[in-house]
Amino acid sequence: DTEVTQTPKHLVMGMTNKKSLKCEQHMGHRAMYWYKQKAKKPPELMFVYSYEKLSINESVPSRFSPECPNSSLLNLHLHALQPEDSALYLCASSLSKGETQYFGPGTRLLVL
Amino acid sequence: AQSVSQHNHHVILSEAASLELGCNYSYGGTVNLFWYVQYPGQHLQLLLKYFSGDPLVKGIKGFEAEFIKSKFSFNLRKPSVQWSDTAEYFCAVTNNLFFGTGTRLTVIP
Repeated sequence: DTEVTQTPKHLVMGMTNKKSLKCEQHMGHRAMYWYKQKAKKPPELMFVYSYEKLSINESVPSRFSPECPNSSLLNLHLHALQPEDSALYLCASSLSKGETQYFGPGTRLLVL
Repeated sequence: AQSVSQHNHHVILSEAASLELGCNYSYGGTVNLFWYVQYPGQHLQLLLKYFSGDPLVKGIKGFEAEFIKSKFSFNLRKPSVQWSDTAEYFCAVTNNLFFGTGTRLTVIP
């Protein structure tokens, strides 16, 4: 298995909702990442997990809460989002931090 | 502070034309350099990477890039583009993938 999967593909949520994005890989990678990509912009790093520990948090608002339950799974919990949080959320993984990253297809999020 | 500059925002070429996309970076330490491609409706894919060794690296689909340390550059090249190369191209540096702003390539058949 050489891919990163993300669910759901699309998500529409209101500003008072709580939802979660899920990312999974079975390549034995020990580093996992969350990125946010707005239309016609490059991906922006949000969080990095290395060996299931949060390694980097790029000053992301607390309404985004990451979780790494095990080495294959990465979640992003969403609560009280704003319309400007609408974007494509990308997950990536790498063998270890600093190695080549492999990206999932993303979850397209719309906040109403 | 690290930064990545991609000079060309949108490049339009005819099929069989040669391609060169510029990438300049600013970073104080040892760099790892990447080019990623995002085809319409698809996810980011690695084209090629440079960690060390031969500064001329070859990637998938006939792409290559040259790392020139003195110029802080890592330009992407392809001798003859195809319509299927139409995509967004991102240069990225360092361990946590600081991305450049991207270059949209449109290839006209």
